[in-house]
Amino acid sequence: DADVTQTPRNRITKTGKRIMLECSQTKGHDRMYWYRQDPGLGLRLIYYSFDVKDINKGEISDGYSVSRQAQAKFSLSLESAIPNQTALYFCATREGSGRTDTQYFGPGTRLTVL
Amino acid sequence: AQSVTQLGSHVSVSEGALVLLRCNYSSSVPPYLFWYVQYPNQGLQLLLKYTSAATLVKGINGFEAEFKKSETSFHLTKPSAHMSDAAEYFCAVRQTGANNLFFGTGTRLTVIP
Repeated sequence: DADVTQTPRNRITKTGKRIMLECSQTKGHDRMYWYRQDPGLGLRLIYYSFDVKDINKGEISDGYSVSRQAQAKFSLSLESAIPNQTALYFCATREGSGRTDTQYFGPGTRLTVL
Repeated sequence: AQSVTQLGSHVSVSEGALVLLRCNYSSSVPPYLFWYVQYPNQGLQLLLKYTSAATLVKGINGFEAEFKKSETSFHLTKPSAHMSDAAEYFCAVRQTGANNLFFGTGTRLTVIP
């Protein structure tokens, strides 16, 4: 079984709809991240969380919100989806602080907003 | 501010040829540097990372990268390309004391039979 899972894997929705993307991990990591990937732009950080009570905005948090329901679960919400939020979304976990950190990525959710 | 630049959004090489993917960082202090690979329809996975130990870093699948402070570079190489190396490659940087990674825009590698 995958260590970092994301649901759904694909979603098509309409402008104005509320959407939730879910991420679960079995790695036992405290740190979790949400990124979006756009062609030619690489990955950009939306939100990150160091534990259930510690949530922080990334570089492109406008239009998004998150919820850390438990150490293993980190959800990303689009309150009112718009077409320029069409992208590939990745969840990641990190194995700890210090110099040798590594992020582990889920398989991604492809979101299309019509 | 830290950033990373990947020269060449697309690179094509013949099978068996040298692979060279370029990455330059901008930072006054040498950061921690990473290369990630993304195979089609998959998430990213770590290839290798530089954490201020040896300047030549060996990773998985025969890839390696050399940290050159004088050139602010961390280019990824592999002596002989294999068809299975076709993927998108991302360079990323994390500054000392910072919490997050900043990714380059990626380089798509095509391997020609």
